[in-house]
Amino acid sequence: GQQVMQIPQYQHVQEGEDFTTYCNSSTTLSNIQWYKQRPGGHPVFLIQLVKSGEVKKQKRLTFQFGEAKKNSSLHITATQTTDVGTYFCAGRPGNQFYFGTGTSLTVIP
Amino acid sequence: NAGVTQTPKFQVLKTGQSMTLQCAQDMNHNSMYWYRQDPGMGLRLIYYSASEGTTDKGEVPNGYNVSRLNKREFSLRLESAAPSQTSVYFCASRPTGMVNTEAFFGQGTRLTVV
Repeated sequence: GQQVMQIPQYQHVQEGEDFTTYCNSSTTLSNIQWYKQRPGGHPVFLIQLVKSGEVKKQKRLTFQFGEAKKNSSLHITATQTTDVGTYFCAGRPGNQFYFGTGTSLTVIP
Repeated sequence: NAGVTQTPKFQVLKTGQSMTLQCAQDMNHNSMYWYRQDPGMGLRLIYYSASEGTTDKGEVPNGYNVSRLNKREFSLRLESAAPSQTSVYFCASRPTGMVNTEAFFGQGTRLTVV
């Protein structure tokens, strides 16, 4: 079964609104990575979180790793049309990374 | 710098046909991976190779075989294609022996089995 779950599966927002996607695992993760896939493209690495409770920012993107290292979130402030795509988390409960189901973001101009 | 190169980009197969998806990376990475991507299912690991000469099963290996031909190349073979194998296939690689680093993906192969 799927080791890492993501919600929501789809999200439509008006340009300028905020967006958040959540990643959850039933087991403790050693670390977690986030990727972005543009429509028709391939996943591209965004960031990695390793420490419990870690928070990292990339411009309008904020990434958090839960205290128990079982969940993570990606928050985008004031979305832009360039943010469209599918966002994946990838968690490592053992030796390999397992990708979440992804959240597809549509930004309405 | 080409990164990870996959061929072909598109393929249509008839049920029962066989084919091999090719992947090559020029970044001197030890670890290579094959994923399939289906709507609502995310990226699921089919097989991976932690180093040249080794391969291991991932989450969904049934119906597939792999070959790590050398350090650069990692191929995925469908011996008898089935409609359930219609998907987008991605090859990826990671730097030397480390799982805590980013994965670099190829452009993908869009496979349809009719």
